[in-house]
Amino acid sequence: QKEVEQDPGPLSVPEGAIVSLNCTYSNSAFQYFMWYRQYSRKGPELLMYTYSSGNKEDGRFTAQVDKSSKYISLFIRDSQPSDSATYLCAPWGAMDSNYQLIWGAGTKLIIKP
Amino acid sequence: NAGVTQTPKFQVLKTGQSMTLQCAQDMNHEYMSWYRQDPGMGLRLIHYSVGAGITDQGEVPNGYNVSRSTTEDFPLRLLSAAPSQTSVYFCASSLVESSYNEQFFGPGTRLTVL
Repeated sequence: QKEVEQDPGPLSVPEGAIVSLNCTYSNSAFQYFMWYRQYSRKGPELLMYTYSSGNKEDGRFTAQVDKSSKYISLFIRDSQPSDSATYLCAPWGAMDSNYQLIWGAGTKLIIKP
Repeated sequence: NAGVTQTPKFQVLKTGQSMTLQCAQDMNHEYMSWYRQDPGMGLRLIHYSVGAGITDQGEVPNGYNVSRSTTEDFPLRLLSAAPSQTSVYFCASSLVESSYNEQFFGPGTRLTVL
Protein backbone atom coordinates (compact mmCIF):
# COMPACT_ATOMS: atom_id res chain seq x y z
CA GLN A 1 0.00 0.00 0.00
CA LYS A 2 1.34 3.44 -0.93
CA GLU A 3 1.71 5.98 1.87
CA VAL A 4 -0.53 8.41 -0.01
CA GLU A 5 -3.29 7.37 -2.39
CA GLN A 6 -4.87 9.82 -4.81
CA ASP A 7 -7.15 9.16 -7.78
CA PRO A 8 -5.29 10.44 -10.87
CA GLY A 9 -8.50 11.29 -12.73
CA PRO A 10 -9.00 13.12 -14.99
CA LEU A 11 -11.99 14.72 -13.31
CA SER A 12 -14.07 16.82 -15.70
CA VAL A 13 -16.80 19.13 -14.37
CA PRO A 14 -18.75 22.10 -15.75
CA GLU A 15 -17.86 25.65 -14.79
CA GLY A 16 -19.49 26.72 -11.55
CA ALA A 17 -19.63 23.22 -10.06
CA ILE A 18 -18.33 22.31 -6.60
CA VAL A 19 -15.25 20.11 -6.91
CA SER A 20 -14.08 17.60 -4.33
CA LEU A 21 -10.54 16.23 -4.52
CA ASN A 22 -9.40 13.57 -2.07
CA CYS A 23 -6.42 11.67 -0.72
CA THR A 24 -5.95 8.95 1.83
CA TYR A 25 -2.76 8.33 3.77
CA SER A 26 -1.42 5.63 6.04
CA ASN A 27 1.07 7.30 8.42
CA SER A 28 -0.73 8.64 11.49
CA ALA A 29 2.31 10.77 12.40
CA PHE A 30 1.71 13.26 9.58
CA GLN A 31 0.99 16.70 10.99
CA TYR A 32 0.88 19.07 8.00
CA PHE A 33 -1.28 18.47 4.96
CA MET A 34 -0.42 20.39 1.82
CA TRP A 35 -2.16 20.85 -1.48
CA TYR A 36 -0.06 21.84 -4.46
CA ARG A 37 -1.45 23.01 -7.79
CA GLN A 38 0.40 22.29 -11.02
CA TYR A 39 -0.58 23.94 -14.28
CA SER A 40 0.32 22.21 -17.53
CA ARG A 41 4.05 22.34 -18.27
CA LYS A 42 4.81 24.19 -15.02
CA GLY A 43 6.24 23.25 -11.64
CA PRO A 44 3.91 22.64 -8.67
CA GLU A 45 3.08 25.56 -6.37
CA LEU A 46 1.73 25.42 -2.84
CA LEU A 47 -1.99 26.20 -2.87
CA MET A 48 -2.74 25.84 0.83
CA TYR A 49 -2.02 23.70 3.86
CA THR A 50 -3.65 22.67 7.11
CA TYR A 51 -2.14 21.66 10.40
CA SER A 52 -3.60 18.60 12.15
CA SER A 53 -7.34 18.01 11.81
CA GLY A 54 -10.00 20.50 10.80
CA ASN A 55 -10.86 22.89 8.02
CA LYS A 56 -9.09 25.83 6.44
CA GLU A 57 -10.69 28.21 3.98
CA ASP A 58 -9.01 30.47 1.44
CA GLY A 59 -11.39 32.18 -0.92
CA ARG A 60 -13.12 29.53 -3.03
CA PHE A 61 -10.86 26.78 -1.67
CA THR A 62 -11.41 24.74 1.49
CA ALA A 63 -8.96 22.14 2.77
CA GLN A 64 -10.23 19.52 5.20
CA VAL A 65 -8.37 16.88 7.19
CA ASP A 66 -9.89 14.00 9.11
CA LYS A 67 -7.03 12.36 10.99
CA SER A 68 -9.27 9.68 12.47
CA SER A 69 -9.96 8.27 9.00
CA LYS A 70 -6.68 9.51 7.46
CA TYR A 71 -8.60 11.38 4.78
CA ILE A 72 -7.64 14.68 3.14
CA SER A 73 -10.01 16.76 0.99
CA LEU A 74 -9.83 19.90 -1.11
CA PHE A 75 -13.09 21.58 -2.10
CA ILE A 76 -13.36 24.20 -4.82
CA ARG A 77 -16.52 26.31 -4.93
CA ASP A 78 -17.74 28.08 -8.06
CA SER A 79 -15.07 26.36 -10.14
CA GLN A 80 -13.53 28.34 -12.99
CA PRO A 81 -11.72 27.23 -16.17
CA SER A 82 -8.57 28.76 -14.63
CA ASP A 83 -8.79 26.08 -11.92
CA SER A 84 -7.98 23.44 -14.55
CA ALA A 85 -4.73 21.92 -13.31
CA THR A 86 -3.33 18.89 -11.54
CA TYR A 87 -3.76 18.95 -7.76
CA LEU A 88 -1.26 17.05 -5.63
CA CYS A 89 -1.69 16.28 -1.96
CA ALA A 90 1.42 16.06 0.19
CA PRO A 91 1.19 15.20 3.87
CA TRP A 92 4.26 15.81 6.00
CA GLY A 93 5.45 15.22 9.51
CA ALA A 94 7.82 17.57 11.26
CA MET A 95 9.41 14.53 12.88
CA ASP A 96 10.95 13.62 9.51
CA SER A 97 14.47 15.03 9.71
CA ASN A 98 14.97 14.40 6.00
CA TYR A 99 12.33 17.05 5.14
CA GLN A 100 10.93 14.79 2.46
CA LEU A 101 7.36 15.29 1.35
CA ILE A 102 5.29 12.21 0.51
CA TRP A 103 3.39 12.95 -2.70
CA GLY A 104 0.10 11.72 -4.01
CA ALA A 105 -0.03 10.89 -7.72
CA GLY A 106 -2.03 14.07 -8.43
CA THR A 107 -5.59 14.48 -9.76
CA LYS A 108 -6.00 16.17 -13.13
CA LEU A 109 -8.97 18.54 -12.97
CA ILE A 110 -10.67 19.92 -16.08
CA ILE A 111 -13.26 22.68 -15.75
CA LYS A 112 -15.39 22.95 -18.87
CA PRO A 113 -16.65 26.45 -19.79
CA ASN B 1 14.17 37.06 -6.74
CA ALA B 2 14.39 34.61 -9.63
CA GLY B 3 13.36 31.78 -7.29
CA VAL B 4 14.38 28.35 -8.59
CA THR B 5 15.80 28.23 -12.09
CA GLN B 6 16.50 25.18 -14.22
CA THR B 7 18.38 24.71 -17.47
CA PRO B 8 17.86 23.46 -20.08
CA LYS B 9 14.08 23.49 -20.54
CA PHE B 10 14.20 20.70 -23.12
CA GLN B 11 16.81 18.10 -23.99
CA VAL B 12 17.03 15.11 -26.30
CA LEU B 13 19.78 12.55 -25.66
CA LYS B 14 20.83 9.32 -27.26
CA THR B 15 21.19 6.20 -25.15
CA GLY B 16 24.54 6.18 -23.39
CA GLN B 17 25.15 9.92 -23.49
CA SER B 18 25.74 11.85 -20.28
CA MET B 19 24.56 15.30 -19.34
CA THR B 20 24.05 17.64 -16.41
CA LEU B 21 20.78 19.33 -15.51
CA GLN B 22 21.41 22.63 -13.79
CA CYS B 23 19.43 23.99 -10.83
CA ALA B 24 19.97 27.22 -8.93
CA GLN B 25 18.03 29.11 -6.25
CA ASP B 26 18.53 32.60 -4.85
CA MET B 27 16.42 32.27 -1.69
CA ASN B 28 19.23 30.97 0.56
CA HIS B 29 17.36 27.70 1.09
CA GLU B 30 19.29 24.92 2.78
CA TYR B 31 17.19 22.07 1.38
CA MET B 32 17.27 21.24 -2.32
CA SER B 33 15.98 18.21 -4.14
CA TRP B 34 15.49 16.64 -7.54
CA TYR B 35 12.28 14.88 -8.59
CA ARG B 36 11.18 13.13 -11.70
CA GLN B 37 7.55 13.19 -12.75
CA ASP B 38 6.05 10.49 -14.93
CA PRO B 39 2.38 10.14 -15.96
CA GLY B 40 0.28 8.57 -13.21
CA MET B 41 3.24 8.23 -10.83
CA GLY B 42 3.41 11.63 -9.22
CA LEU B 43 6.69 13.11 -8.05
CA ARG B 44 9.46 10.70 -7.16
CA LEU B 45 12.48 11.89 -5.23
CA ILE B 46 15.85 11.21 -6.88
CA HIS B 47 18.39 12.91 -4.60
CA TYR B 48 18.29 15.64 -2.00
CA SER B 49 20.59 17.86 0.02
CA VAL B 50 20.16 19.56 3.40
CA GLY B 51 23.13 21.88 2.91
CA ALA B 52 26.37 22.46 1.05
CA GLY B 53 28.52 19.34 1.04
CA ILE B 54 25.65 17.06 2.14
CA THR B 55 23.68 14.89 -0.26
CA ASP B 56 21.60 11.75 0.08
CA GLN B 57 19.60 9.35 -2.04
CA GLY B 58 15.88 9.48 -2.51
CA GLU B 59 13.46 6.90 -3.84
CA VAL B 60 14.91 6.46 -7.35
CA PRO B 61 18.64 7.37 -7.32
CA ASN B 62 20.04 4.80 -9.74
CA GLY B 63 21.65 6.33 -12.82
CA TYR B 64 21.93 9.80 -11.31
CA ASN B 65 24.60 11.69 -9.38
CA VAL B 66 24.43 14.98 -7.53
CA SER B 67 26.80 17.37 -5.79
CA ARG B 68 26.25 20.43 -3.62
CA SER B 69 29.33 22.63 -3.46
CA THR B 70 27.39 25.85 -2.78
CA THR B 71 24.06 26.71 -1.14
CA GLU B 72 22.74 28.05 -4.45
CA ASP B 73 23.47 25.26 -6.91
CA PHE B 74 22.42 21.62 -7.07
CA PRO B 75 23.23 19.99 -10.44
CA LEU B 76 21.91 16.57 -11.41
CA ARG B 77 24.11 14.41 -13.59
CA LEU B 78 22.89 11.57 -15.76
CA LEU B 79 25.79 9.16 -16.07
CA SER B 80 24.73 7.07 -19.09
CA ALA B 81 21.27 7.97 -20.33
CA ALA B 82 18.68 5.25 -20.83
CA PRO B 83 15.18 5.44 -22.38
CA SER B 84 13.73 4.75 -18.90
CA GLN B 85 15.07 8.17 -17.86
CA THR B 86 12.73 9.93 -20.28
CA SER B 87 10.75 12.15 -17.92
CA VAL B 88 10.16 15.66 -16.65
CA TYR B 89 12.68 16.67 -14.00
CA PHE B 90 11.94 19.23 -11.30
CA CYS B 91 14.30 20.86 -8.87
CA ALA B 92 12.86 22.18 -5.60
CA SER B 93 14.13 24.05 -2.56
CA SER B 94 12.85 24.89 0.90
CA LEU B 95 13.85 26.42 4.21
CA VAL B 96 14.82 23.78 6.74
CA GLU B 97 13.28 25.74 9.60
CA SER B 98 9.93 26.23 7.84
CA SER B 99 7.26 24.62 10.02
CA TYR B 100 5.26 23.28 7.07
CA ASN B 101 8.15 22.68 4.66
CA GLU B 102 6.86 24.65 1.65
CA GLN B 103 8.84 23.55 -1.38
CA PHE B 104 9.49 25.94 -4.26
CA PHE B 105 9.81 24.34 -7.66
CA GLY B 106 11.63 25.25 -10.82
CA PRO B 107 9.91 25.19 -14.24
CA GLY B 108 11.18 21.72 -15.08
CA THR B 109 13.38 20.08 -17.72
CA ARG B 110 11.74 17.81 -20.27
CA LEU B 111 14.19 15.05 -21.15
CA THR B 112 13.79 12.53 -23.94
CA VAL B 113 16.25 9.66 -24.30
CA LEU B 114 16.18 7.91 -27.66
